[in-house]
Amino acid sequence: AAGVIQSPRHLIKEKRETATLKCYPIPRHDTVYWYQQGPGQDPQFLISFYEKMQSDKGSIPDRFSAQQFSDYHSELNMSSLELGDSALYFCASSRGMGFGELFFGEGSRLTVL
Amino acid sequence: QKEVEQNSGPLSVPEGAIASLNCTYSDRGSQSFFWYRQYSGKSPELIMFIYSNGDKEDGRFTAQLNKASQYVSLLIRDSQPSDSATYLCAVNAGGTSYGKLTFGQGTILTVHP
Repeated sequence: AAGVIQSPRHLIKEKRETATLKCYPIPRHDTVYWYQQGPGQDPQFLISFYEKMQSDKGSIPDRFSAQQFSDYHSELNMSSLELGDSALYFCASSRGMGFGELFFGEGSRLTVL
Repeated sequence: QKEVEQNSGPLSVPEGAIASLNCTYSDRGSQSFFWYRQYSGKSPELIMFIYSNGDKEDGRFTAQLNKASQYVSLLIRDSQPSDSATYLCAVNAGGTSYGKLTFGQGTILTVHP
């Protein structure tokens, strides 16, 4: 079965650079969520989109922005990167408001040097 | 106090034994409760979800919910070495925050042969 696809899987950036992560949800899933997981930490909710509109916002820094496109894929843009942004970034998708039944992608590991 | 707390572990059980994982949450308005399994460096995978008080069984897994006590647990019967992973308890506040999961810090489970 098709899963959530994230790219790139690994990304290395310098401080103050910009990074873009992409997420392709499971077919027919219209809701996308972004989570950030630091080393040894639990996943922290960043932001979500339902039918291309922002549906909820969590602890997403102002330096980050995201959107969902007409084909339901989503991109997370991170600017002025800081060392503390180094983490695993997970995208998850669900059909409708998933009530927490989220299907996660394999994650994108961002390392900021 | 974290919104979702888990027994920190690590928890070690012999193969074939019952593993018991516990979680408490602080928001009385929480609507739905989830257990995710996460292998090291991999994405969280949904194991069980429960919405109503009582027990819910699925194969070797049983989730238990007690909203009055704000407590949710996961029992794994006949534990196998392949069950060794971090188990994340997640809570959804519901309302307009579907998919905005708050995770506990995770319990590391090791099943030894």
